[in-house]
Amino acid sequence: GDSVTQMEGPVTLSEEAFLTINCTYTATGYPSLFWYVQYPGEGLQLLLKATKADDKGSNKGFEATYRKETTSFHLEKGSVQVSDSAVYFCAPQASGGYQKVTFGIGTKLQVIP
Amino acid sequence: KAGVTQTPRYLIKTRGQQVTLSCSPISGHRSVSWYQQTPGQGLQFLFEYFSETQRNKGNFPGRFSGRQFSNSRSEMNVSTLELGDSALYLCASSLESGGANVLTFGAGSRLTVL
Repeated sequence: GDSVTQMEGPVTLSEEAFLTINCTYTATGYPSLFWYVQYPGEGLQLLLKATKADDKGSNKGFEATYRKETTSFHLEKGSVQVSDSAVYFCAPQASGGYQKVTFGIGTKLQVIP
Repeated sequence: KAGVTQTPRYLIKTRGQQVTLSCSPISGHRSVSWYQQTPGQGLQFLFEYFSETQRNKGNFPGRFSGRQFSNSRSEMNVSTLELGDSALYLCASSLESGGANVLTFGAGSRLTVL
């Protein structure tokens, strides 16, 4: 079945540090790739997505590139802020007419001033 | 545009009881999926409903069930509650199913089983 591997964390960074959260996946077919973020006490929300190889998704300074050859979708941000403290989920979503997103365990990020 | 609404937000039950959780999707969204979130297991897929039909189901026992109504609202039910059912239950809706469709999540229903 489909699976996702991402670092569990917690990851603790100082404000303005560079962030990388690695994500690799196994999936049948040609999945779309998503990063979702969960702020404390809230549900998940879309951060960015990419739907085909070499696509780069970006939002709020975060970026991730769909690497089909390495089945990876690593999340990066050049300069994190305290407000970025949250849990980040990598999620491949299979093509086809049904919904079954496979979520990673989530990576907790804590940014300290 | 109203978001995904889940009720109740918090509830406490005892072992052996049953519980029903409700999810109202974004207007026009036909797909509703449910997830269980626990600290040790992360997010696990429960099931998905599309146009009142269950399309896909995760690896959960038959105590977990759901349904979808003609207005796309969905409910999930857990019978004979166990301590291990304590979790945050998240509902997500999307326009269509699968592929590049973005999931919009509700804030969740936090269930505590004593």
